[in-house]
Amino acid sequence: DSGVTQTPKHLITATGQRVTLRCSPRSGDLSVYWYQQSLDQGLQFLIQYYNGEERAKGNILERFSAQQFPDLHSELNLSSLELGDSALYFCASSLTPLVSSYNEQFFGPGTRLTVL
Amino acid sequence: DQQVKQNSPSLSVQEGRISILNCDYTNSMFDYFLWYKKYPAEGPTFLISISSIKDKNEDGRFTVFLNKSAKHLSLHIVPSQPGDSAVYFCAASEGNFNKFYFGSGTKLNVKP
Repeated sequence: DSGVTQTPKHLITATGQRVTLRCSPRSGDLSVYWYQQSLDQGLQFLIQYYNGEERAKGNILERFSAQQFPDLHSELNLSSLELGDSALYFCASSLTPLVSSYNEQFFGPGTRLTVL
Repeated sequence: DQQVKQNSPSLSVQEGRISILNCDYTNSMFDYFLWYKKYPAEGPTFLISISSIKDKNEDGRFTVFLNKSAKHLSLHIVPSQPGDSAVYFCAASEGNFNKFYFGSGTKLNVKP
């Protein structure tokens, strides 16, 4: 158990809909990351937050948005869903936003989103 | 455009032998590299990392080698154990921020 929790575990919805994925970081971690893993693909970095502020952005679509709240949990909002948005969405957390062998990212179990 | 590539989707190895997982990257600015292990229905877990100032890092049965001129890294597992059966992802980052580019993964099967 990494200490990172994600809800829900599974989500099935229809095209055009909007969903919210939730992540609670490990206790003490201030930085949160979101990744998307489509079928047979590697993890694609979407966005990073540190202490409520956006720190880095990856290949995140305009239809997607995220935020980190004062209690440090984060939400990823996906709107106008398309079939191609079906994927595993992982959240990870770390103590700081900086690269270091002492600042490992801990991953949650993921949310599997299916868009029908 | 994938900046980190794992060209072998799967690898099968006998227990006790060496497993070698390979990873290639295209961005010469990458300066930090990691390997993650992933079991089904779980998130990836950190395995081992290497900075670009080194060419080798060892942790128990796991060794990562970095060849900067070839833009290639590899993970060696010796000896391989059935519990090592998992999907292995390599990842790379540039600069200070924890923004990683991941490969597509190699599924390792260690046969008893």
